Amino acid sequence: DAKTTQPPSMDCAEGRAANLPCNHSTISGNEYVYWYRQIHSQGPQYIIHGLKNNETNEMASLIITEDRKSSTLILPHATLRDTAVYYCIVINDYKLSFGAGTTVTVRA
Amino acid sequence: DGGITQSPKYLFRKEGQNVTLSCEQNLNHDAMYWYRQDPGQGLRLIYYSQIVNDFQKGDIAEGYSVSREKKESFPLTVTSAQKNPTAFYLCASSIDLSAGVNGYTFGSGTRLTVV
Repeated sequence: DAKTTQPPSMDCAEGRAANLPCNHSTISGNEYVYWYRQIHSQGPQYIIHGLKNNETNEMASLIITEDRKSSTLILPHATLRDTAVYYCIVINDYKLSFGAGTTVTVRA
Repeated sequence: DGGITQSPKYLFRKEGQNVTLSCEQNLNHDAMYWYRQDPGQGLRLIYYSQIVNDFQKGDIAEGYSVSREKKESFPLTVTSAQKNPTAFYLCASSIDLSAGVNGYTFGSGTRLTVV
């Protein structure tokens, strides 16, 4: 299984962009990169996913490097409600594996 | 709205007792999963089910049991054999086991505490 590496924590100012890095150097060609976030004591919430191309939706943008060994989640205008643990995971089939994620704290 | 419902949100169990956590989905998903989360850690797979009347052990199945009698329901029983059951339990579903394309939907979790 491909594994991911994320920084344990980061701070972001409210209204600014938050850029969350993720390394997945052992990713294989058919594995998707997914981002979820988890607010304390709730279930993980889907944010965005991609395979090769950059993706954007109403929540965030996902930038995947050409070699697919790393990616960056961009929250364009962070709000206090974006404070959460963000997980970068790779999925090939059913066996989902979450690491400890990045704890993002948005400060006013 | 479609989604996954877990109940109860909080559950207290005495040592030596079995307890059952409920998970119901109305997404028409074939695959369902149970994960355990300990403080400050990621998710670990307990059991998963691809289809009704079929389920497989995950990475930490010891001390747990499941059933899948209906497509919508995948209850998890934490037995007295589970030595350290206090944790946050998450149920998830996906259209099928090829979740790479479609991803997972998670329930809101059940926090189990042994007293």
